[in-house]
Amino acid sequence: EDKVVQSPLSLVVHEGDTVTLNCSYEVTNFRSLLWYKQEKKAPTFLFMLTSSGIEKKSGRLSSILDKKELFSILNITATQTGDSAIYLCAVSNSGYALNFGKGTSLLVTP
Amino acid sequence: DTEVTQTPKHLVMGMTNKKSLKCEQHMGHRAMYWYKQKAKKPPELMFVYSYEKLSINESVPSRFSPECPNSSLLNLHLHALQPEDSALYLCASSQDRLAGDETQYFGPGTRLLVL
Repeated sequence: EDKVVQSPLSLVVHEGDTVTLNCSYEVTNFRSLLWYKQEKKAPTFLFMLTSSGIEKKSGRLSSILDKKELFSILNITATQTGDSAIYLCAVSNSGYALNFGKGTSLLVTP
Repeated sequence: DTEVTQTPKHLVMGMTNKKSLKCEQHMGHRAMYWYKQKAKKPPELMFVYSYEKLSINESVPSRFSPECPNSSLLNLHLHALQPEDSALYLCASSQDRLAGDETQYFGPGTRLLVL
């Protein structure tokens, strides 16, 4: 059975800290891994990763995939209170469904 | 433009009502999805339409009835729902999988309360 596991499940940090969120997976016929940020409404797309070792970067956020060890990390540097959200990792396989992890709930305090 | 729109934003309905949720995208995506999300849980896939044909039905009860009138629109018809169906209903769309990018873009959701 396909599995996506995120850790930690929740995290509280101070503004300015750097955080690393983890996502490990066991998926048949892996195609891509996606990161989403969800505040009070819909998940907002952050990154799609298909190749190992290539870092994707957008401002203070970056992510990398390791297809040999079957995991990805999402880094956020110089965190701000606006980064507070649930971060969802999802893996795409040969079907249409996205297999979501349970999410990491991040709270950034002033 | 990566926008998926959904209406209504909020919906309260009784168990005997019939209502519909609507979703629209103009990104030329040929796959559209309905998800259900309960509080503090990840989205759960309900239906997938590919090229306006139903590809996946994740054993969803028949009180939920999807419809894809054209490549830009996706509806979810609701009838005789139960209180446990109260949730955030998310629509998403993506390119055709042959395009090599299956990133799904989500709409803002409809928050449904069944009384």
